[in-house]
Amino acid sequence: DTGVSQDPRHKITKRGQNVTFRCDPISEHNRLYWYRQTLGQGPEFLTYFQNEAQLEKSRLLSDRFSAERPKGSFSTLEIQRTEQGDSAMYLCASSLGGQPDGYTFGSGTRLTVV
Amino acid sequence: DQQVKQNSPSLSVQEGRISILNCDYTNSMFDYFLWYKKYPAEGPTFLISISSIKDKNEDGRFTVFLNKSAKHLSLHIVPSQPGDSAVYFCAASADDYKLSFGAGTTVTVRA
Repeated sequence: DTGVSQDPRHKITKRGQNVTFRCDPISEHNRLYWYRQTLGQGPEFLTYFQNEAQLEKSRLLSDRFSAERPKGSFSTLEIQRTEQGDSAMYLCASSLGGQPDGYTFGSGTRLTVV
Repeated sequence: DQQVKQNSPSLSVQEGRISILNCDYTNSMFDYFLWYKKYPAEGPTFLISISSIKDKNEDGRFTVFLNKSAKHLSLHIVPSQPGDSAVYFCAASADDYKLSFGAGTTVTVRA
């Protein structure tokens, strides 16, 4: 297992289109997290899963955002009706249990909305 | 609301000298603090952490100091090496799953 994989690495989309990102965590990790990082800022928490259950969603995650983790394996993050303000790096991380220093981040998906 | 602040966007240091990165936080509920390092086109990688019950943690060239009364922590890198050039993020947690990050400090180590 080579770590957390995210696909695609880059996505350019027109405003109003829907996009979906995928995250494959480290296989034995039961927790999966999504963060968003905008230019000049640190990552901001969006949501997390323990196995297949989505346990918390940030208020940053508007109704246009939805995340799933079917069967507790990979996860998808969908953004509907994209807006220019959605342009950011979307980072996925996974961990085994709740040790904060056990997080492993993926390389991220950079979304540009034009 | 920015609960974790890194007020220095950049730091330039001579190779072999000490790098000191600072971080302030506002949430008294934070009980675990971490530093992450990030290279371009990669995700952040964990560097070192400290629990609120300690005031110092050391790992090789990296030492983190925590001053709870001042709500301040710092990362010391001694000696600084060219490979240390990266963006460093301070992060804090009040539970076991969610991290609050600062905006980052870009460190450049000059040869």
